[in-house]
Amino acid sequence: EAQVTQNPRYLITVTGKKLTVTCSQNMNHEYMSWYRQDPGLGLRQIYYSMNVEVTDKGDVPEGYKVSRKEKRNFPLILESPSPNQTSLYFCASRQNRGRFGYTFGSGTRLTVV
Amino acid sequence: AQKVTQAQTEISVVEKEDVTLDCVYETRDTTYYLFWYKQPPSGELVFLIRRNSFDEQNEISGRYSWNFQKSTSSFNFTITASQVVDSAVYFCALSEVREYGNKLVFGAGTILRVKS
Repeated sequence: EAQVTQNPRYLITVTGKKLTVTCSQNMNHEYMSWYRQDPGLGLRQIYYSMNVEVTDKGDVPEGYKVSRKEKRNFPLILESPSPNQTSLYFCASRQNRGRFGYTFGSGTRLTVV
Repeated sequence: AQKVTQAQTEISVVEKEDVTLDCVYETRDTTYYLFWYKQPPSGELVFLIRRNSFDEQNEISGRYSWNFQKSTSSFNFTITASQVVDSAVYFCALSEVREYGNKLVFGAGTILRVKS
């Protein structure tokens, strides 16, 4: 089944403790992206990647890092999480060209206390 | 820059009523895509429709219909005979068409509550 898999689904952590949210897709998509969802703000793009070793900032990149060492994986790294990063996170992927169909993961609900 | 506005923060209806969710967008491009997503209480994003800027035909899928009007930059979504299972957050989104680097820009979402 074609899908984007995020882990974990739920995470509660403490301020300053480094964490990684994993994202993996099995569709050989070049493009991958991370979004955060906050009430009243919709989803906002954090980082995106056009292909392996090609990443760029989205609209709200502060406090986050990403890497794209393999085509299928696009982890989101919070080096020193803070409470304002408490949010619902989504990973998405699609092909660079052709039909602009995005596939989203199931989401990761992160709480930083 | 792209922008999507969903002015209705929350709508409450009684089952079997029709409801329209508004979406107004801004873009300087002539070629773009518009989307609607549903987010049920379980949290995942469910794709509903994608429409490109050259196709202004309205679309109907069961109880769902979409009205795309370029003249008013709107892409409204109507649910006919609403049901409790339609209760969710609905997002409208816009994607410009670039060779590389295009992204999906979302509206703030509309919470729909359908009461029995």
